[in-house]
Amino acid sequence: SAVISQKPSRDICQRGTSLTIQCQVDSQVTMMFWYRQQPGQSLTLIATANQGSEATYESGFVIDKFPISRPNLTFSTLTVSNMSPEDSSIYLCSATGQNQETQYFGPGTRLLVL
Amino acid sequence: GESVGLHLPSLSVQEGDNSIINCAYSNSASDYFIWYKQESGKGPQFIIDIRSNMDKRQGQRVTVLLNKTVKHLSLQIAATQPGDSAVYFCAENTPGSARQLTFGSGTQLTVLP
Repeated sequence: SAVISQKPSRDICQRGTSLTIQCQVDSQVTMMFWYRQQPGQSLTLIATANQGSEATYESGFVIDKFPISRPNLTFSTLTVSNMSPEDSSIYLCSATGQNQETQYFGPGTRLLVL
Repeated sequence: GESVGLHLPSLSVQEGDNSIINCAYSNSASDYFIWYKQESGKGPQFIIDIRSNMDKRQGQRVTVLLNKTVKHLSLQIAATQPGDSAVYFCAENTPGSARQLTFGSGTQLTVLP
C-alpha cells in the first residue's frame, strides 16, 4: 500500500483568500486524485491529477477554482482559490497502489472558511 | 462520480456481536469494489476489496459478499469491537472510468459497550 501525507492537516481561512494543499506519496504511483468531503457526506471526486499535464476535472469543478499541479510521480498540490464559506470541507488526496486500482487516502485537510 | 447524501444511515451493535453493513452499487458494469473505514478526523482506510468474478472474500474478521444480480455488496464484521466504530463506505470501479471510484453514501457504525 502507499503511505500518503497531506499538509496542512487543517486551516482556518478568510473568504477571498486561497489555500494550497500538498500531498506526498512515499512511492511512485500512477494515479493521484483529489476529493472533497463535506460534513456528514460521502466523497466527491474533484479531479485526477496527471503527471506533467493538466488535471482532468469532474463535472462541477473547474481549473480556475481548483488548480492542481503534479510535477512528479509522488507529489501533487490542490489550491482552493478565492474561498467562500461554501468551500469549508475536508479535502482528501488519494493514490493508487501497485495494482493501479486500489486507492489509498491521505489523512485529509480540514478547511474552515470564515 | 458524485454521491449525494444528506445524512448517513446508521447501525448500532453490541460489542461482540456481528455487524452487517450493506451497500447498493450503481453500475452493473463495475468490476472492482472496495470497502473503506473512516474514523472521525481521519482519511478513509482500505479494509477489503473484491473483484466481480468472485462472490465472497474473507479477511481478518471481515467478509465481503457480492451479489451482482441485484447489485448489492455487504461487509460483515465478526465479533465487533469498540474500535470498529466508524463510517464505512463502499466504492465501485467501472472499466473505462480511468480508475475512478464512485463512493456510496456511507454507514455510521456505532459499537455499544
